[in-house]
Amino acid sequence: DTAVSQTPKYLVTQMGNDKSIKCEQNLGHDTMYWYKQDSKKFLKIMFSYNNKELIINETVPNRFSPKSPDKAHLNLHINSLELGDSAVYFCASSQTPEEKLFFGSGTQLSVL
Amino acid sequence: SQQGEEDPQALSIQEGENATMNCSYKTSINNLQWYRQNSGRGLVHLILIRSNEREKHSGRLRVTLDTSKKSSSLLITASRAADTASYFCAPCNAGNNRKLIWGLGTSLAVNP
Repeated sequence: DTAVSQTPKYLVTQMGNDKSIKCEQNLGHDTMYWYKQDSKKFLKIMFSYNNKELIINETVPNRFSPKSPDKAHLNLHINSLELGDSAVYFCASSQTPEEKLFFGSGTQLSVL
Repeated sequence: SQQGEEDPQALSIQEGENATMNCSYKTSINNLQWYRQNSGRGLVHLILIRSNEREKHSGRLRVTLDTSKKSSSLLITASRAADTASYFCAPCNAGNNRKLIWGLGTSLAVNP
C-alpha cells in the first residue's frame, strides 16, 4: 500500500481554470503538508496541518486553499490558475513537525 | 535567506568512488535531515541527525553534524549508478517555529 498517495499525477489545464489535487496518507500521522517544487528544484512549503488545524501558512496567494476533512486527508484547491502556478506539487506527512517526512509521488501541474 | 544550502550544486563521479555533499544553514536547529529525490519522483528520507549528535551511519551513508559551524555533510561510500539522484538537506528549526528549511539540493551523477 502506498503510504502517501496524491492524485492526479499529471494535470494540464488552461489559465483561469480551477483545479484540485487530493492527498491521502495511511500512516496514521498527525501532520500533513503541501510543498511546491519549481523548475530549479527549490522546494517551498505552502501549508502544514496538524490534526486538521492549519499550523503553517506561508506567503501563498489566496487562490490556493487547503482543506483537511480529516487528519488522513489534505486536499489543495487552486482557483484562477496562472502560468506561474506550473510546478510539481508534493503532499507529505509526518508524525510531528520535526520528524521525518513521507512524500507522495507528486502532481505535475502545467498551466497553458 | 532561510534556505539550507547544499554544496556542490552538481557532482559527477565514477561508480565505486565516494561522494561527499555539504550543507550549511543559518538558524538553531532541532535536527537535520537528508533526503534523496530520483528524477520525476517524490523525496525519500535518508537520515535524521539530532542537534546533540555528531555522526550517524546508515548502510553506505554517513552523516556528520557540526552545530558550531552550522554545517553537515553526507558521505556516500562505494557509490553505485542507482545512487544517481538529487540530495537535499533540511535543517529543522528549533523553537516554536518547527519547520524544515530546504535548499536547491546537490545533483549527483554516478557514471557506470
